[in-house]
Amino acid sequence: LAKTTQPISMDSYEGQEVNITCSHNNIATNDYITWYQQFPSQGPRFIIQGYKTKVTNEVASLFIPADRKSSTLSLPRVSLSDTAVYYCLVGDEGAAGNKLTFGGGTRVLVKP
Amino acid sequence: GAGVSQSPSNKVTEKGKDVELRCDPISGHTALYWYRQSLGQGLEFLIYFQGNSAPDKSGLPSDRFSAERTGGSVSTLTIQRTQQEDSAVYLCASSTSTGGNYGYTFGSGTRLTVV
Repeated sequence: LAKTTQPISMDSYEGQEVNITCSHNNIATNDYITWYQQFPSQGPRFIIQGYKTKVTNEVASLFIPADRKSSTLSLPRVSLSDTAVYYCLVGDEGAAGNKLTFGGGTRVLVKP
Repeated sequence: GAGVSQSPSNKVTEKGKDVELRCDPISGHTALYWYRQSLGQGLEFLIYFQGNSAPDKSGLPSDRFSAERTGGSVSTLTIQRTQQEDSAVYLCASSTSTGGNYGYTFGSGTRLTVV
């Protein structure tokens, strides 16, 4: 399984854009990049997934360069409620029973 | 149900006692996963079920840990002779059998404290 590296923590302010970059140098051809969000006392929640280029949904955008060795999660105009831990995962999306392998995540603190 | 339900939400037990943690997955989800999360840490995979069978038990930390799943639905994680290092939040997730990193829905977990 491809190992991921992401910053331990980031601070931001309400209304700002937050960008979290994840390194995955050993990503395989069949691997997808997925981000989960975890609030205190809750289980992780799926945010966004991509394979290459750019993916956008109502919550975030995911930017993946051509070599796919890194990816950047972008949270536009964050609010206090976006304070959470964000996990970057890499794995074969099509593999049955593919277990998620979580790293340490990035703890994002949004200040007023 | 609408989501993954875990019970109890909190459990305090004395060292050496056995505990059972329960997970009710989303109806129709055939894959079920147990994870453990220690304070301030990431998630550690424990075991995976496909239906009632467990193809991957590689994450169980010792033979004190066991899990079963009946009727392709409810799963129980049992920890025998609990130790203080077992204190953690135990999370359950379910997904459709087709797998995929995005198809996982997690419960809110059981916070286990061994005193």
